[in-house]
Amino acid sequence: AQSVAQPEDQVNVAEGNPLTVKCTYSVSGNPYLFWYVQYPNRGLQFLLKYITGDNLVKGSYGFEAEFNKSQTSFHLKKPSALVSDSALYFCAVRDWAGKLIFGQGTELSVKP
Amino acid sequence: NAGVTQTPKFQVLKTGQSMTLQCAQDMNHNSMYWYRQDPGMGLRLIYYSASEGTTDKGEVPNGYNVSRLNKREFSLRLESAAPSQTSVYFCASRETGTGFLGPTDTQYFGPGTRLTVL
Repeated sequence: AQSVAQPEDQVNVAEGNPLTVKCTYSVSGNPYLFWYVQYPNRGLQFLLKYITGDNLVKGSYGFEAEFNKSQTSFHLKKPSALVSDSALYFCAVRDWAGKLIFGQGTELSVKP
Repeated sequence: NAGVTQTPKFQVLKTGQSMTLQCAQDMNHNSMYWYRQDPGMGLRLIYYSASEGTTDKGEVPNGYNVSRLNKREFSLRLESAAPSQTSVYFCASRETGTGFLGPTDTQYFGPGTRLTVL
């Protein structure tokens, strides 16, 4: 069965430092992988996706993610964190029927 | 172009009461979804509709019913609310196709409904 794991409940980063939010997946076949962000009291906003092509995917707000098939990972990265990046981040994988399976979420806190 | 809209934004119910959560999308998407979000559990799929006229159960369908009224609208009904249904509910619609950059497959979410059942 497909599954997604986000091993860190919380990630703390200083503003200006690089950030990484981790995600690993388990899926049969070629994965469709996604990152969403949720700001307080808001809905989920799409950040980026990997379907096919280059392993390094660029998305909104300067975020990027690297698909690593051998490690079954899809970590979210940003070279220089902003305080405004503080939010809840979700990794998701699409199953065979097109439904999304979400990880439990990682709270990112960026301090000035 | 409003995207995905949901009503109401907030609702408080007493145990046993019923209500319907409304969702509409103006992006002409075929597939629509209802999720619930609970702390530490991510989002879990309640029901989905792959196309107008079809609905299917997701991971946590018990206590809920849905109606795909037309292509735009997908409602979620709680017939007899229970405290365990206290949650934030999100509706989403799914864009699929093939563009010049390759295949696309993305779900877009509404702002959510925060439901409390006392």
